[in-house]
Amino acid sequence: AQRVTQPEKLLSVFKGAPVELKCNYSYSGSPELFWYVQYSRQRLQLLLRHISRESIKGFTADLNKGETSFHLKKPFAQEEDSAMYYCALRPTGGFKTIFGAGTRLFVKA
Amino acid sequence: KAGVTQTPRYLIKTRGQQVTLSCSPISGHRSVSWYQQTPGQGLQFLFEYFSETQRNKGNFPGRFSGRQFSNSRSEMNVSTLELGDSALYLCASTQREGGELFFGEGSRLTVL
Repeated sequence: AQRVTQPEKLLSVFKGAPVELKCNYSYSGSPELFWYVQYSRQRLQLLLRHISRESIKGFTADLNKGETSFHLKKPFAQEEDSAMYYCALRPTGGFKTIFGAGTRLFVKA
Repeated sequence: KAGVTQTPRYLIKTRGQQVTLSCSPISGHRSVSWYQQTPGQGLQFLFEYFSETQRNKGNFPGRFSGRQFSNSRSEMNVSTLELGDSALYLCASTQREGGELFFGEGSRLTVL
């Protein structure tokens, strides 16, 4: 079965501190993995995807197939990073994207 | 380009009633997906349509149904509403296979 697990419902860090949002997945094949973000009063939107291997707003995520993880990291958190973050998986060639339960990140001044 | 548009934005129904939600995707996007969002559960996949065909369905009871029209607009219907159906229903469209999902603002359903 395909599953995405985000173990932390809430993560609170101080501005300037490193942040890591955890994501583990269960899928027998080769998935595509994404991080979506929802800022206050905004629509859910794509932050980054593992295929592109790029850094967006200072965030990076590395796919670790051995540990089946796709953790999101940022070395220095900013207050504007406060948002709800969702990890998502799409089976390669598949037609649906499944999401984790989400982690709310709160960056304190 | 206009974004994904969902109507109505808010609605209140009573148990046993039925509801229809509408989604207009971004122009040129042929795939539409529906999700149920509740606190603590995240986004639960309902179904995905492409060119008027349902290609995938999530683990929801048969009370939940949907369809897509030739202009790619989609509707979802929930019959015999239950209190647990109260949620934010999100629609997302994508232009191509494996592409980024573009979300609407959602329809917030409250069942009393």
